[in-house]
Amino acid sequence: EADIYQTPRYLVIGTGKKITLECSQTMGHDKMYWYQQDPGMELHLIHYSYGVNSTEKGDLSSESTVSRIRTEHFPLTLESARPSHTSQYLCASSGTGGVNTIYFGEGSWLTVV
Amino acid sequence: GDSVTQMEGPVTLSEEAFLTINCTYTATGYPSLFWYVQYPGEGLQLLLKATKADDKGSNKGFEATYRKETTSFHLEKGSVQVSDSAVYFCALTGLTGSTLGRLYFGRGTQLTVWP
Repeated sequence: EADIYQTPRYLVIGTGKKITLECSQTMGHDKMYWYQQDPGMELHLIHYSYGVNSTEKGDLSSESTVSRIRTEHFPLTLESARPSHTSQYLCASSGTGGVNTIYFGEGSWLTVV
Repeated sequence: GDSVTQMEGPVTLSEEAFLTINCTYTATGYPSLFWYVQYPGEGLQLLLKATKADDKGSNKGFEATYRKETTSFHLEKGSVQVSDSAVYFCALTGLTGSTLGRLYFGRGTQLTVWP
């Protein structure tokens, strides 16, 4: 059982609002990821981090930003939400060195109205 | 680049039917291969994995064998249940440079099992 937590699980907000999706893991994993899942189910990597103070853009361009100040915490922020940001956001993490299994949180469903 | 091609759905089966979901991959070297499952309203859960050629991953009655010669990792279950209804994702991990440890997913296959 993976110990990775996302909050909020569900959020409905108005256009132009700033939001932060929280992600925390208690496994001491150095690698963390954010995926965006579109209504057609396809998953797109939008951000990843291989350690504290390390963040990279993923394969899909995103207006969101991330930070990694602590190993266990990898929040995602949208400065000004738009309806096009409506999606599910999945946080994940994996362990140190080489290839390791990636564990996912339960996801955050964001709806921007 | 590394990629996964997964059988398109949706797949609809009756309970106790045999399930196959095809997955083929393109990668440099020998990636680790995974099947993840996503139940309605939830995140992804690891279903099974295989880390080298000819390995067979298995869990909850599901199996998949890492076939290097056909670059495939097909998911099978001999007798599906209604509770298996979910979306299934095939994935591989990158091995080199900036792809190291990253997951590359297929597009997902929606499975619905009727009683």
